[in-house]
Amino acid sequence: DADVTQTPRNRITKTGKRIMLECSQTKGHDRMYWYRQDPGLGLRLIYYSFDVKDINKGEISDGYSVSRQAQAKFSLSLESAIPNQTALYFCATSDRRGANTGELFFGEGSRLTVL
Amino acid sequence: AQSVSQHNHHVILSEAASLELGCNYSYGGTVNLFWYVQYPGQHLQLLLKYFSGDPLVKGIKGFEAEFIKSKFSFNLRKPSVQWSDTAEYFCAAVIYNQGGKLIFGQGTELSVKP
Repeated sequence: DADVTQTPRNRITKTGKRIMLECSQTKGHDRMYWYRQDPGLGLRLIYYSFDVKDINKGEISDGYSVSRQAQAKFSLSLESAIPNQTALYFCATSDRRGANTGELFFGEGSRLTVL
Repeated sequence: AQSVSQHNHHVILSEAASLELGCNYSYGGTVNLFWYVQYPGQHLQLLLKYFSGDPLVKGIKGFEAEFIKSKFSFNLRKPSVQWSDTAEYFCAAVIYNQGGKLIFGQGTELSVKP
């Protein structure tokens, strides 16, 4: 079983719909991240959380919100999806040492298509 | 703002050819540098990392990278590629003690022809 699990793996939705992407981890890490990947742009950080009570915006947080329901769960929401949010979304985790050194563990990705 | 640049967007090689993928970062202080690999349909995996010490680091599957501070570079190399190396490769950097906020390059897609 994967240490970092994302659901759904694929989702097609329509403009204006609310979408939630979920991430759960069994690594016991306290730090979790959401990235989006777009061709030619690499990965960009949307939100990150150092623990349940600490949530921070990344470089492209507009149009997104997150919820850290427990240490092991970190959800990303698109309140009203738009086509330019079509992308591959990755959840990642790290422990405290990894957060300082940049060693992250990634989930398998959630491909979202907004029509 | 800190940034990471990868020079090649798509590289096509034949098996047994040598590989070098360029990566430059823009920050004058202490950085940690990484190469991640994403095989088709899979998640990102750490290929190798540089924190300090020997600037030539070796990773998995025969890959290595050299940190050249004066050039702000961290190029990835492999003497002889295999078809199974077909993947997308991402260079990434994190400023020490910046909470693991990895800054990724644009990615380089490597296609190896059998």
